[in-house]
Amino acid sequence: DAGVIQSPRHEVTEMGQEVTLRCKPISGHDYLFWYRQTMMRGLELLIYFNNNVPIDDSGMPEDRFSAKMPNASFSTLKIQPSEPRDSAVYFCASSNRTEDGYTFGSGTRLTVV
Amino acid sequence: LAKTTQPISMDSYEGQEVNITCSHNNIATNDYITWYQQFPSQGPRFIIQGYKTKVTNEVASLFIPADRKSSTLSLPRVSLSDTAVYYCLVGGLYSSASKIIFGSGTRLSIRP
Repeated sequence: DAGVIQSPRHEVTEMGQEVTLRCKPISGHDYLFWYRQTMMRGLELLIYFNNNVPIDDSGMPEDRFSAKMPNASFSTLKIQPSEPRDSAVYFCASSNRTEDGYTFGSGTRLTVV
Repeated sequence: LAKTTQPISMDSYEGQEVNITCSHNNIATNDYITWYQQFPSQGPRFIIQGYKTKVTNEVASLFIPADRKSSTLSLPRVSLSDTAVYYCLVGGLYSSASKIIFGSGTRLSIRP
């Protein structure tokens, strides 16, 4: 298995632009998580899905952030409009009901200038 | 929310055993204890998970006392490649994923 695949690895955009981050979870995993990591705030859970349904989005910073999971093999995190304070590394993780924890992707480093 | 406290940093030498302790005084009955490792520019990687007593796998051991208010991750014979940040988490397996919080972690530095 190729693991959790995220794209792009790096994204540089101008303030006000729309940004879309993509994630392909591990096949067979029915949980998908979006995390954000910054030096100041560490790793923060933004939202998670179970069987493609959003379960808890209380970590989403504000309405500029939205996430979708149209099917079991794909999810997106969209920021519109982007702001410099959104600069961070965004991780996607997936899991199933085992005691093996979450498998994280390599992350997308977002820089908003 | 189950809060965890771990040392900010630790140093050790190659070949030594390293023990990182995490305190979680308000752990709930159904909470598990999970440890992750993170290298720079990579996502966290699952190391080990346990509920009580001792758990061992090919890379680490996890010691949990009877009161479960703390846990110790033990890395045997560390090498330079074990230099990373280690996170201790507590939480229910999936019923309360939003309550599983990554703390600040312990930055482990291994020297030759």
